[in-house]
Amino acid sequence: SQQGEEDPQALSIQEGENATMNCSYKTSINNLQWYRQNSGRGLVHLILIRSNEREKHSGRLRVTLDTSKKSSSLLITASRAADTASYFCATVNNQGGKLIFGQGTELSVKP
Amino acid sequence: EPEVTQTPSHQVTQMGQEVILRCVPISNHLYFYWYRQILGQKVEFLVSFYNNEISEKSEIFDDQFSVERPDGSNFTLKIRSTKLEDSAMYFCASSRDRPSSGANVLTFGAGSRLTVL
Repeated sequence: SQQGEEDPQALSIQEGENATMNCSYKTSINNLQWYRQNSGRGLVHLILIRSNEREKHSGRLRVTLDTSKKSSSLLITASRAADTASYFCATVNNQGGKLIFGQGTELSVKP
Repeated sequence: EPEVTQTPSHQVTQMGQEVILRCVPISNHLYFYWYRQILGQKVEFLVSFYNNEISEKSEIFDDQFSVERPDGSNFTLKIRSTKLEDSAMYFCASSRDRPSSGANVLTFGAGSRLTVL
């Protein structure tokens, strides 16, 4: 299968701390995306990083991609209680196929 | 901000009944998708749709499932004879760019929760 694992499965931090979530995948990819899901709601796109990019920033989000290790990380800096959600990485393979999601990391930010 | 809208938000049905889940994608988007998420599990791809035909489908999307774009705005998922294991949240999504573009960001609806009794 295309998608590997995300870790940790659950992460609990205090407001103001940084949160780092990791994602691994198995096949060559066209791009990797991170999505956020609040409990019981739809997924919201956060950031897309192409296979020829190594790092990307968007506000308090920083995404890295290491294609040699087939892994990516999402860093949320200065976390807020409102960042509490599940975070999923998703990949599109080199054949331009479907977006495949990982298992997700459940982030809890305590005020 | 344009939205993908899904109806119903929650449907309860008896096993063996037919269910139709409806979606209105974003108006200038050309690619449409259905995903499902069984409670507590990951989001699974079901089917992608472009130019009035299925582009790709997963093993989950068997003969019990069908999709249709009946009127140029709605995009529907039909489950002909529901099983208990079809209970899940079903998400519709749309994108402007084709999957191979390297820029295909999906916009998801809020989901339709299907409960099969």
